[in-house]
Amino acid sequence: GQNIDQPTEMTATEGAIVQINCTYQTSGFNGLFWYQQHAGEAPTFLSYNVLDGLEEKGRFSSFLSRSKGYSYLLLKELQMKDSASYLCAVIEGDYKLSFGAGTTVTVRA
Amino acid sequence: IAGITQAPTSQILAAGRRMTLRCTQDMRHNAMYWYRQDLGLGLRLIHYSNTAGTTGKGEVPDGYSVSRANTDDFPLTLASAVPSQTSVYFCASSPGTSSYNEQFFGPGTRLTVL
Repeated sequence: GQNIDQPTEMTATEGAIVQINCTYQTSGFNGLFWYQQHAGEAPTFLSYNVLDGLEEKGRFSSFLSRSKGYSYLLLKELQMKDSASYLCAVIEGDYKLSFGAGTTVTVRA
Repeated sequence: IAGITQAPTSQILAAGRRMTLRCTQDMRHNAMYWYRQDLGLGLRLIHYSNTAGTTGKGEVPDGYSVSRANTDDFPLTLASAVPSQTSVYFCASSPGTSSYNEQFFGPGTRLTVL
């Protein structure tokens, strides 16, 4: 089984920084993904972490602490197009993805 | 075809009817998945297939069946639809089943069961 928690909603201003936290308790751990999903569209890959630490990719960074069962996605220099849902997903021991319910980020001008 | 496609885009279905959602990928990915997405619940795995000829049950398999006759196609069948199966259904595929298992998602099918 799995328990993946992330905030339901966040609001931020254009140009600001937002941090989306994800905590998990899973039976086995083989990595953590972050996906972005715009309304009415399919999820698309943002990042993958399997080792502790920070992975940076342009305006987006993702952090993982395996010992704490914790990850965050950091969105910098927010743009209007970043308004979307952000899904935290954990790969469990059987190599299947388990998703959190998602965090809806609204970027305001 | 480029990537992963699903059909139909949307469907309204009477309860009790049989329905097959189609999914095709042209990336020669070994693994394929079916999810349903409901408000507040996130994506939940229905069935999966690690390779052609094999299938497995996910978190919410009841009322659904799948087959994997070849690498490219992974249809999902609702034998007798019920209103609780109203949802958005996403098909996904990945190259394999290793720990780095990025999944590529199709555009989704919005299904309403009345």
